[in-house]
Amino acid sequence: GQQVMQIPQYQHVQEGEDFTTYCNSSTTLSNIQWYKQRPGGHPVFLIQLVKSGEVKKQKRLTFQFGEAKKNSSLHITATQTTDVGTYFCASNNNDMRFGAGTRLTVKP
Amino acid sequence: NAGVTQTPKFRILKIGQSMTLQCTQDMNHNYMYWYRQDPGMGLKLIYYSVGAGITDKGEVPNGYNVSRSTTEDFPLRLELAAPSQTSVYFCASSYVAKYEQYFGPGTRLTVT
Repeated sequence: GQQVMQIPQYQHVQEGEDFTTYCNSSTTLSNIQWYKQRPGGHPVFLIQLVKSGEVKKQKRLTFQFGEAKKNSSLHITATQTTDVGTYFCASNNNDMRFGAGTRLTVKP
Repeated sequence: NAGVTQTPKFRILKIGQSMTLQCTQDMNHNYMYWYRQDPGMGLKLIYYSVGAGITDKGEVPNGYNVSRSTTEDFPLRLELAAPSQTSVYFCASSYVAKYEQYFGPGTRLTVT
């Protein structure tokens, strides 16, 4: 099955700074989903992208799906302490595969 | 709606013991999934089901068994617990494949 690689593993930012996490695959993905997991919590769905070059926004969050459908990114503008958590990308060409996640910490 | 519920929340097992992790969803979803999450890692799919009576292996099925006798329930069975099965187990459901998944609160399992 396909593997999705996610970078960076950790990111520590000052409140107000921007944050980006990247998801890459060696194979074409049918879709990409993004989830957020707060410390001690369970993953919560954020968004799904299915079209080549698709860009979606949710307030301060911007999600992109690459033209070749092999990569995706999540960008947070002006981070807040409420953004703390681990962000996962996932895709299910045949079965569901999650990236290892990017753990975001925000210093007030 | 309660969504996806899991029991127990925590469990400590001795090596070689058996147990069943329970998962129930009340959203009438067809698809259900079991994942394990090791510390600092992503989620790995153990088994999934596309409907009552149908199950299939995921990425890491060894040491586990599942059944799906009803739409609502999808229990995960560990027959001979091993330390390598120490993890947090999440159950999830979705209406159909490639739709958003709803996760339960998880079961933290320690095997010593």
